[in-house]
Amino acid sequence: GQQVMQIPQYQHVQEGEDFTTYCNSSTTLSNIQWYKQRPGGHPVFLIQLVKSGEVKKQKRLTFQFGEAKKNSSLHITATQTTDVGTYFCAGRASGTSYGKLTFGQGTILTVHP
Amino acid sequence: GAVVSQHPSWVICKSGTSVKIECRSLDFQATTMFWYRQFPKQSLMLMATSNEGSKATYEQGVEKDKFLINHASLTLSTLTVTSAHPEDSSFYICSAPSVSGSTDTQYFGPGTRLTVL
Repeated sequence: GQQVMQIPQYQHVQEGEDFTTYCNSSTTLSNIQWYKQRPGGHPVFLIQLVKSGEVKKQKRLTFQFGEAKKNSSLHITATQTTDVGTYFCAGRASGTSYGKLTFGQGTILTVHP
Repeated sequence: GAVVSQHPSWVICKSGTSVKIECRSLDFQATTMFWYRQFPKQSLMLMATSNEGSKATYEQGVEKDKFLINHASLTLSTLTVTSAHPEDSSFYICSAPSVSGSTDTQYFGPGTRLTVL
């Protein structure tokens, strides 16, 4: 079945440093989404990427979707303590039912002030 | 924005008992909802797709007789963990698809933390 690998599993940064998490799918994706889960909370939708090579920005966050639509990355510039949480990518394989997402393992980000 | 609620937010039960978890879409209708399970510091694992008015679709390895899903209305899906055992202790989260834009985008409920003693 489809697998979505995400690295790194953990990332500790000093406030102000940059952070990047990478996502790799075993199959071509129709789209990829990113979610953030704060400690003790539930996943909150951040963004969806659909087009090959797509790049989207949300303030300090930059999201990329690979040309082959099998990988993606999330980059945070100048991290802040409010960025703490687990970042998940989630993708739907081409040809599968809408909404049937496979989540990556997540990257747990801690930011030291 | 779309809001999904879950009840209860946490529950502790004895081994062998059944626990029902409700998932409601508060300000929109959802013909499909999804149930996930999450272990501490791990990813979300899709358990099943809940379909309004028809049987749920379970993922491989998920016991349908163990995890009963009922989607009786356009705003409510329930997950019943039957004859719960300690290994069923987990964080159960439901989601419903976005009503605008891509239906792949999910709104998640706040989750239910189940502890089976």
